[in-house]
Amino acid sequence: DAGVIQSPRHEVTEMGQEVTLRCKPISGHNSLFWYRQTMMRGLELLIYFNNNVPIDDSGMPEDRFSAKMPNASFSTLKIQPSEPRDSAVYFCASSPGVAGADTQYFGPGTRLTVL
Amino acid sequence: DAKTTQPPSMDCAEGRAANLPCNHSTISGNEYVYWYRQIHSQGPQYIIHGLKNNETNEMASLIITEDRKSSTLILPHATLRDTAVYYCIVIVPTGRRALTFGSGTRLQVQP
Repeated sequence: DAGVIQSPRHEVTEMGQEVTLRCKPISGHNSLFWYRQTMMRGLELLIYFNNNVPIDDSGMPEDRFSAKMPNASFSTLKIQPSEPRDSAVYFCASSPGVAGADTQYFGPGTRLTVL
Repeated sequence: DAKTTQPPSMDCAEGRAANLPCNHSTISGNEYVYWYRQIHSQGPQYIIHGLKNNETNEMASLIITEDRKSSTLILPHATLRDTAVYYCIVIVPTGRRALTFGSGTRLQVQP
């Protein structure tokens, strides 16, 4: 298995532009997580899905952020409009999503820079 | 989740065993100990987990004390590529929850 795949690996954009981050979870995993990591705030959960359904989006900063999971093998995180304070590394992680199996497997991350 | 305490940093010579301690004195009976690490500029990586028995896999060994109030992650033959921040967390594995990392232990493997 190739593991969790994220694209792009790096994104540089200007304030106000729309940014879309993509994630392909490990095949067979039922839970998908989007995290954001900064030096100041560490690793923060943005949203997670179970069986393609959003379960907890309380970590989504504001209406500028949205996430979708149209099927079991693909998810997107969109920021519109982007702001400089959104600059961070965004990680996607997947897990089997069953009790007793909380191991999460992280992708390589997308490093976002908003100028 | 039980609170964990880890030393902020440790050094280890390449080829020697790295022993990373974690204190979790308030752990409850159904909580597991998980270890992850994050190598610079990479995503967090799962290492190992356990409930009360010692565990070993291809990456590391996990030793949990009999009272479960502390544990030690052992990297038997540390390499330069093991330089990373190591996180010990204690959770009930429901299968549907976020991970919250503390400050962890920064392990520097020296050549």
